[in-house]
Amino acid sequence: GDSVTQMEGPVTLSEEAFLTINCTYTATGYPSLFWYVQYPGEGLQLLLKATKADDKGSNKGFEATYRKETTSFHLEKGSVQVSDSAVYFCALIQGAQKLVFGQGTRLTINP
Amino acid sequence: DVKVTQSSRYLVKRTGEKVFLECVQDMDHENMFWYRQDPGLGLRLIYFSYDVKMKEKGDIPEGYSVSREKKERFSLILESASTNQTSMYLCASSLGRQGAGEKLFFGSGTQLSVL
Repeated sequence: GDSVTQMEGPVTLSEEAFLTINCTYTATGYPSLFWYVQYPGEGLQLLLKATKADDKGSNKGFEATYRKETTSFHLEKGSVQVSDSAVYFCALIQGAQKLVFGQGTRLTINP
Repeated sequence: DVKVTQSSRYLVKRTGEKVFLECVQDMDHENMFWYRQDPGLGLRLIYFSYDVKMKEKGDIPEGYSVSREKKERFSLILESASTNQTSMYLCASSLGRQGAGEKLFFGSGTQLSVL
């Protein structure tokens, strides 16, 4: 079945560092891809999405490009802030099926 | 903005108890979902519902049941709680069926401990 694999966490960076969180997927067709973020004590919220190959999703300085040839959707940010500390989930959906989530990557940004 | 409210933030129950987790959304969404979140496993879908009185099994329905008597409310029931059901439970809702680009709105979660 469809699956999502994220890089192992936790990830710890200093403020203003460059961030990459890797995400790869396995799917038989052409899924839509998402990044959700969970701040401490809160539920998940949609960060960005891409619905077809070569689309770039972006929000709050974060970006991710849908790469069909490498089945990847890596999350990047050029300069992280302490407020970006959270757990990040990559997810996919195909057709009318349910969302499939990766295992989550905990990010901690130190001042 | 959409609000998804889960009745309890923390819950402690004993093995064998019947447990009810309640979720209410205020935006007339058709679809509601229950996930559990465990470290290293991400989110796993327990049950979902596309309409009132309708329910479908997710990936890990064993040991759980659900009830959707009203559109805005979706309850998760642990018939006889066990220690392996200790977890964070997340409720979510969405406007239409989960298709391309459909966005889920999540509650803050209920951390359930079964002793």
